[in-house]
Order: sequence, then C-alpha cells, then structure tokens
Amino acid sequence: DAGVIQSPRHEVTEMGQEVTLRCKPISGHNSLFWYRQTMMRGLELLIYFNNNVPIDDSGMPEDRFSAKMPNASFSTLKIQPSEPRDSAVYFCASSVDNSYGYTFGSGTRLTVV
Amino acid sequence: GESVGLHLPTLSVQEGDNSIINCAYSNSASDYFIWYKQESGKGPQFIIDIRSNMDKRQGQRVTVLLNKTVKHLSLQIAATQPGDSAVYFCAEKVSGTYKYIFGTGTRLKVLA
Repeated sequence: DAGVIQSPRHEVTEMGQEVTLRCKPISGHNSLFWYRQTMMRGLELLIYFNNNVPIDDSGMPEDRFSAKMPNASFSTLKIQPSEPRDSAVYFCASSVDNSYGYTFGSGTRLTVV
Repeated sequence: GESVGLHLPTLSVQEGDNSIINCAYSNSASDYFIWYKQESGKGPQFIIDIRSNMDKRQGQRVTVLLNKTVKHLSLQIAATQPGDSAVYFCAEKVSGTYKYIFGTGTRLKVLA
C-alpha cells in the first residue's frame, strides 16, 4: 500500500497566485481530511469529506480556500488568491468510515512570498 | 512536513533510558485517544491508541496511560532509541463526533 499520496511536496508561489494541492487517499478509505499545520496554531482541521461529499468545512479559513473530491481516489485543496499567511504545511489524511485513527500523507509545504 | 517548531516543549533523554511524554486533554466527553509521532519532513504517524474504558494499553516498547479523572494521557517509551527522536502529539476524539483535537506536541531528543 502506497499510503496517502500528496503532491507537490513543496510549493513556492507569489502572493496572489492560485495554488492547488493534491491528495490521493488510500484505496478503500472513504473519509478524507485536509489539515493545516503551522508553528502558531499546530494542526487544524480544514475540511472533512465522507464518500466524496464535504461534511464539514467549518475549518476552511475563508472564501479563498476551496476543496473538492470528484471521486474516491482524488481530492484537491485550492487557494485563490494565495497570501503569505497561508504559508504552512498542508496534510491530507484518510480513514475508513471515519474510523479510529487516520493515515496522514507526507504533506505539502507551501510558501507564499 | 516540519512540525510545529521552535517553541515546542522538549524532552531530552539518554539513549536506552525510558521516556515519558505527557498530555493534558481538554474534553471530558472524549472517548478515544491516539498518540502520533511526527518525524522531520513527514506526516504524523499513528503509534498507539486507547479507548476511554481503559486506563492502560501496551504496544511494542510503548505504553499509553489514561487518567480520566484529571484528563491526562501519557506515552511511555521503553529503552529509547535514536530513531524515537521526533515530535509526539496526543489527539482526542470527542464522543459522537469525527473530529480529533490535537495537542501542541512535545519534541523528544534522544542523546547518544
């Protein structure tokens, strides 16, 4: 099993540009989570999908952030326009039916300059 | 995936000694707890879990203790090795929800 796969591993972009982060969950997992990790706030849940449907997006910071899950094997997190304060490590995690414990991907380190 | 960095509490332990990492959780309605390990450049990795109807659970070299009275969780690592150096997070799951609340983390440094 390849685990949760995220791309890119690193992204550097200029303020105002659109950024798209990608995630492939573990095959058979039907719950997917996007987290953001920063020095100041630690790990924050941004959005949770179950069976490709967004269940809770209350953690999405603002309208600049959007997430989609067009099928069971792919999700994207988009930031448009990006701002320097969006700089963080973004993790995707998946599980079976929101069961106990997630498997995290290796994260995407985003730097907005 | 650098974890929460410069201002984490740090525990320094001599190689071969036992480590104890503590965590105070926030919600008395939490019924499930996990310890995660995060190495530099990687995502959090599941180590061990415990349900609220237990007070102790053992794995390979690791033991988790749960004290619901004072809402305290600890992770004990026996015979700490250099590969144990990482940031350790506790996470609590509130009963009836899908959300985990993560602690701020503790950095474990293993001294040779």
